[in-house]
Amino acid sequence: EVQVVESGGGLVQPGGSLRLSCAASASTVSSNYMSWVRQAPGKGLEWVSLIYSAGSTYYADSVKGRFTISRDTSKNTLYLQMNSLRTEDTALYYCAGTRSPGWFDPWGQGTLVIVSS
Amino acid sequence: DIQMTQSPSSVSASVGDRVTITCRASQVISSWLAWYQQKPGKAPKLLIYDASNLQSGVPSRFSGSGSGTNFTLTITSLQPEDFAAYYCQQANSFPLTFGGGTKVEIK
Repeated sequence: EVQVVESGGGLVQPGGSLRLSCAASASTVSSNYMSWVRQAPGKGLEWVSLIYSAGSTYYADSVKGRFTISRDTSKNTLYLQMNSLRTEDTALYYCAGTRSPGWFDPWGQGTLVIVSS
Repeated sequence: DIQMTQSPSSVSASVGDRVTITCRASQVISSWLAWYQQKPGKAPKLLIYDASNLQSGVPSRFSGSGSGTNFTLTITSLQPEDFAAYYCQQANSFPLTFGGGTKVEIK
């Protein structure tokens, strides 16, 4: 069974940067689409970014130009580099395997990012 | 962007009840719709994909229907473990978008 485990969350000041990691089992990262989805405290789900197995990337408008999704297939790890962080980026960030055309499964347990001064 | 509107935002029901949640897309999305269940403090779980296909391991009391812009998730004979939040999501086009969620609460 494919599993994904996120790490890298924490407290960061507005304008700061953070890199999230998602370790996946087997060859998930290289052979599958992968996504990041976030959930602000007490709020609903918001898709953040997706990377296709061929390497194409897509972003929500709210993070475009500030966040970068990438992967290291040798380490079977997905990343989310987050720059110019804003208070509204505070959320639990989930890594998710993604099946064509865009179904999120499986999900990790999430890593919490808090942007505050 | 495609807006996904769920209703109701919350519903109170009893064990054994039939519950129906609706999801409306702001434009035609064919059958590119999924439903997720999220319990408090847990990650979401995929229940239904392609509008009506049951994810492996999901009980058959869950079913999805619809196409175009109108979709429904039906839970027949609600069980105690079904009290949770439910979200619809479209994958017709980027950005991928979710509905606002429906909380199924115990009456």
